[in-house]
Amino acid sequence: DIQMTQSPASLSASVGETVTITCRASENIYSYLAWYQQKQGKSPQLLVYNAKTLAEGVPSRFSGSGSGTQFSLKINSLQPEDFGSYYCQHHYGTPPTFGGGTKLEIK
Amino acid sequence: EVKLVESGGGLVQPGGSLRLSCATSGFTFTDYYMSWVRQPPGKALEWLGFIRNKANGYTTEYSASVKGRFTISRDNSQSILYLQMNTLRAEDSATYYCARDKYYGLDYWGQGTTLTVSS
Repeated sequence: DIQMTQSPASLSASVGETVTITCRASENIYSYLAWYQQKQGKSPQLLVYNAKTLAEGVPSRFSGSGSGTQFSLKINSLQPEDFGSYYCQHHYGTPPTFGGGTKLEIK
Repeated sequence: EVKLVESGGGLVQPGGSLRLSCATSGFTFTDYYMSWVRQPPGKALEWLGFIRNKANGYTTEYSASVKGRFTISRDNSQSILYLQMNTLRAEDSATYYCARDKYYGLDYWGQGTTLTVSS
């Protein structure tokens, strides 16, 4: 199975800052990577797919990049509604495993 | 509007069984793969399995952690997804989500239903 490793596990940042979350795959997954945002007590929501394509309605301050085994999610100018947890998931075969998550908290 | 609504969660004793349902609307159900994902309290998301669409024969795939104990099925006439869970263990306690599965990601999710396995 392909393992997905996210870092950092937690991150503290202020409104207006720029943050980057990384996700590493244990083998080449090309660009078959999605990112999800989950706010406390809510269901996850698709943010980015195919490594860099924003899902419908996602603000342009979010951006995804990477291919192969190294990926990142960048959030420019953090807004209050951006705080929560973020997960990557590969879609290169089964099982499509999730990363361990990154909890983004307000500083 | 796409909607997914899970139901059926609750308290079950270890070794017991439960069936979760996911009622869907707003899209052509048979066109889509459908997935189940769970999340133990305070922990990460875990993919459990999916059932393919009509074009792919409604076949299923499962994670190793639930294969042989959990079964995913669908009622295409009513647009309902099911998760039959048998031989339940304490570590199966989690919030269970159904999700519409595009090939590139899970684009719509239900609100989740909570299972607690405890004596």
